Amino acid sequence: DVKVTQSSRYLVKRTGEKVFLECVQDMDHENMFWYRQDPGLGLRLIYFSYDVKMKEKGDIPEGYSVSREKKERFSLILESASTNQTSMYLCASNGNGEALHFGNGTRLTVT
Amino acid sequence: GESVGLHLPTLSVQEGDNSIINCAYSNSASDYFIWYKQESGKGPQFIIDIRSNMDKRQGQRVTVLLNKTVKHLSLQIAATQPGDSAVYFCAAGGRNTPLVFGKGTRLSVIA
Repeated sequence: DVKVTQSSRYLVKRTGEKVFLECVQDMDHENMFWYRQDPGLGLRLIYFSYDVKMKEKGDIPEGYSVSREKKERFSLILESASTNQTSMYLCASNGNGEALHFGNGTRLTVT
Repeated sequence: GESVGLHLPTLSVQEGDNSIINCAYSNSASDYFIWYKQESGKGPQFIIDIRSNMDKRQGQRVTVLLNKTVKHLSLQIAATQPGDSAVYFCAAGGRNTPLVFGKGTRLSVIA
């Protein structure tokens, strides 16, 4: 069974803090994705990566960056957290042409 | 780009009845479509997918129908059970483009 593991289920951070959200997958998937999920807005793509050290902007990359130093790990970075980044963050991975597999999410609150 | 929508935010169904959840997409170049189920506190879970060379695909108690002419996708759940209560998302994408998700439909099953 594919496992996508997000390191934290809940995080509370202060405005201006640098925040790291970590995601690890155990199926040697080439592709990894970060989405945020907000009520009424569904899932919106922040960044994705098709290979190690490669990254592409999604639909809402502003205020975020990512890092993919190893194939199994994809980190989302909030350089200076703001209250409008309070959200549920979902990591996903897949092999080429396969369905996305999601982690259980990290609920981030920025105060 | 792709946009996915035209859905009912909520749907209530009597236990044992069939459920139909609808979705529309905008990009005729999209060739991969997928349905996810998300239960409270969990990440989205894969239900069923379909490629554009098909118009129907069946799984266990679920059927996905694809109408490329009107760019419409539906998920049918047979004999709906209380455990089917969740938010259902459709998504559309192409071979080299990330999935775009709809805003989701919350299915409530009335016992």
